[in-house]
Amino acid sequence: EPEVTQTPSHQVTQMGQEVILRCVPISNHLYFYWYRQILGQKVEFLVSFYNNEISEKSEIFDDQFSVERPDGSNFTLKIRSTKLEDSAMYFCASSESRTGGSYEQYFGPGTRLTVT
Amino acid sequence: LAKTTQPISMDSYEGQEVNITCSHNNIATNDYITWYQQFPSQGPRFIIQGYKTKVTNEVASLFIPADRKSSTLSLPRVSLSDTAVYYCLVERYGYNFNKFYFGSGTKLNVKP
Repeated sequence: EPEVTQTPSHQVTQMGQEVILRCVPISNHLYFYWYRQILGQKVEFLVSFYNNEISEKSEIFDDQFSVERPDGSNFTLKIRSTKLEDSAMYFCASSESRTGGSYEQYFGPGTRLTVT
Repeated sequence: LAKTTQPISMDSYEGQEVNITCSHNNIATNDYITWYQQFPSQGPRFIIQGYKTKVTNEVASLFIPADRKSSTLSLPRVSLSDTAVYYCLVERYGYNFNKFYFGSGTKLNVKP
């Protein structure tokens, strides 16, 4: 069964450093998403991406965040200058275009980001 | 986009049917209701989606009344492995976008 993969599984960085979280969505999917989940809290939507541009973003997704699809397979989330409060699990998800059904999202296993 | 409200937690015993209700009072005509399951340290996993009335798949049923202001996820005969957090989402689709809101989730604890 196809799956979304994410690397690294755990990233430790110092405050103020830039990090790039990587995701490989399912190959025939056209919609891509990033979420974060602070330990013990709910899943929070960050951004959705379609047709090489951001289609939706939340209030959390401020100027320090950016997303990119640098090639035909990877989807990345960059945090320019990390803060302690960016420590969380970051999930990537993808969904195929709707064909009368749902935009079921397939989630990756997550990257745990720890900012020290 | 309509926000969702769910119970924070529920307890059940193995073999019982579990019903988790979600309210979404401000749901719009184009919105769908979707449920996801999340185990600790894993990403959410799609369970079921519906627009109105009843939808059933191999793992769950979703009941949506005519006014669509609430929905109920029904898990038949739960087992210990169904212990997880269950999220109710309202999703809105457009040609090149979809909006959704993850609520706080319901932590289901299945006991032996």
